[in-house]
Amino acid sequence: AQSVTQLDSQVPVFEEAPVELRCNYSSSVSVYLFWYVQYPNQGLQLLLKYLSGSTLVESINGFEAEFNKSQTSFHLRKPSVHISDTAEYFCAVSVGNQGGKLIFGQGTELSVKP
Amino acid sequence: DAMVIQNPRYQVTQFGKPVTLSCSQTLNHNVMYWYQQKSSQAPKLLFHYYDKDFNNEADTPDNFQSRRPNTSFCFLDIRSPGLGDAAMYLCATSTLDREYNEQFFGPGTRLTVL
Repeated sequence: AQSVTQLDSQVPVFEEAPVELRCNYSSSVSVYLFWYVQYPNQGLQLLLKYLSGSTLVESINGFEAEFNKSQTSFHLRKPSVHISDTAEYFCAVSVGNQGGKLIFGQGTELSVKP
Repeated sequence: DAMVIQNPRYQVTQFGKPVTLSCSQTLNHNVMYWYQQKSSQAPKLLFHYYDKDFNNEADTPDNFQSRRPNTSFCFLDIRSPGLGDAAMYLCATSTLDREYNEQFFGPGTRLTVL
């Protein structure tokens, strides 16, 4: 069965520091990978996605994630975080034969302090 | 802008009093989902509609029902809310015209049960 593991439940960092949120998945078939962000009392917003092609994908607000097939990972990084990046981040996998479902990781709470 | 709308954003109900949450979309997507999300947890899929075809998750309690009268609208009915049903309820949509399942989320309805 497919699964997603986010290795850190909470990541506290100082403003302007770099950050990495880790995500590993298990699947025996091709996957499509997503990072969603959830601000307090909001729904989930798509941050970035890997479908095919270049293994490095970027978002408009400075986040990037790299698909590593051999390590079955899709870690999210940002070289310099802002207070406004404080949120919950969810890694998710879409598996083509899952009848249209997303499998979510447990989430990582990013807390950016001044 | 095409979007997913949930009403109300906040709902308070009494223990055992039926409540209905609504979701509408302007994306013309054929799939609509309902998720339950408790504090500091990943969203948990309750059920989804592919067009009018209803798909219930095996562990969704009978207390939760859903209706989709047309493509644009979907409702979540909780017949007898218990204290344990207090949560954020998220509606999402997607199209299965693609091999991958990118889901678009509404802002959520936070349900409080007194």
